[in-house]
Formats: sequence, structure tokens, C-alpha cells
Amino acid sequence: EVQLVESGGGLVKPGGSLRLSCAASGFTFNTYSMNWVRQAPGKGLEWVSSISSTRTYIYYADSVKGRFTISRDNAMNSLYLQMNSLSAEDTAVYYCATDKGGYNDYWGQGTLVTVSS
Amino acid sequence: EIVLTQSPATLSLSPGERATLSCGASQSVNSRYLAWYQQKPGLAPRLLIYDASSRATGIPDRFSGSGSGTDFTLTISRVEPEDFAVYYCQQYHRSPWTFGQGTKVEIK
Repeated sequence: EVQLVESGGGLVKPGGSLRLSCAASGFTFNTYSMNWVRQAPGKGLEWVSSISSTRTYIYYADSVKGRFTISRDNAMNSLYLQMNSLSAEDTAVYYCATDKGGYNDYWGQGTLVTVSS
Repeated sequence: EIVLTQSPATLSLSPGERATLSCGASQSVNSRYLAWYQQKPGLAPRLLIYDASSRATGIPDRFSGSGSGTDFTLTISRVEPEDFAVYYCQQYHRSPWTFGQGTKVEIK
């Protein structure tokens, strides 16, 4: 059974940093591209970042470019998102998801990031 | 970026009725690179349809997708009580991948 479990969310002050993790199991992690997708409270879905299976290709939404860094450790079956210079606009539930050529076939339960003073 | 516009914003239906949800793209989505997701309150989205018309694993056949170019449709042939949720379309034809704003299917 595919499982994706996010962690690392919480309350952080504007300008602060946070590192999200996503532990994957139940599939061959090192053959999948992975995505981070976020959802602000009461709002729709926004793609944040993607990383290919061997880290060759990495993409970011313009809204996070230069502030967020996606990475992965295939030996640990883990995906990460380092978030710096956070602002209130980054407040959202962050989901990790498997990327099957652009669409997301499996999703984690999400981790809430709240940016507030 | 490709903007997806979903209509209607809210669809009020009784169980057993047919649901037709629309997703319009600001540019042509070639190769039918469009997906549909269902999201219930407090839960993660669930993939329903990919490549415009292919059902994901385990998705009942009352869900179907159609369309090409700039106009796509998700149809629920007979709405079941568990189908009341928010539905999102997503294009993966051109980066950045973008989602529609969602259609809420509510009980009439």
C-alpha cells in the first residue's frame, strides 16, 4: 500500500524558515518524480515544486522560486522542502504527492504551515 | 501560464442525478493532459481521472471524463451520497502545472 506521510509543519514567524519532510513507503520511491502541492485555508490547490527521480530536473512555482528548495534522499525514501523567508501568503496545508508524468496519483495527508507573528 | 476556469462554482443535486462539471483552459491542452481530483473536507485530494478520460485505479465507472483542446468535462452519471465534495481539474501540458478553482457538488 502506498503511503506518504508529511511532517515538519507548524507555526513560524514571518521571515522564518521551516523544513518539511515526506516519508514514502509501499512503492519504488527512486523511480518516481515527486511534487509538493499546497492549499491555503479555504482555497484551491497550488503546485509548488517538482523533483525528478534522480534529481536531474527540479522546478518551482514563481511564487516560491528563490525561497524554497526541494530535495530528496532515495536511500531514505524521503522528500523534503526547505522553506525560507516565509510570509503569510505561504500559510497552507502542504501535500507531497507522487508525480505520474504531471498528474498526482498518490497524496499524503498534508502538514499545516502557519506563518504568523 | 495556463489558466483553468471551472463551472459552475457550486452544483446542487439530489442523489441519483447526473452531474456535469466543466473545465475550460486559456490555451489548448494538447495530448489531453488533464486530470480531475475529488477532495472531501479535511482530506487530501484523490485522483479520479487522468489523460482527460482514463479512470484511476479503484474509481467507479459512474465517473467519466471527456474533452480536448480547451474544453473538458467530468460527468458523474448518478451521484451517490459519498460523491458530495469539491472537484478540481489540473493541466499538465505546460509548466507550471495549474489547477482550476474547484466545483463544489452539494446536496440539494
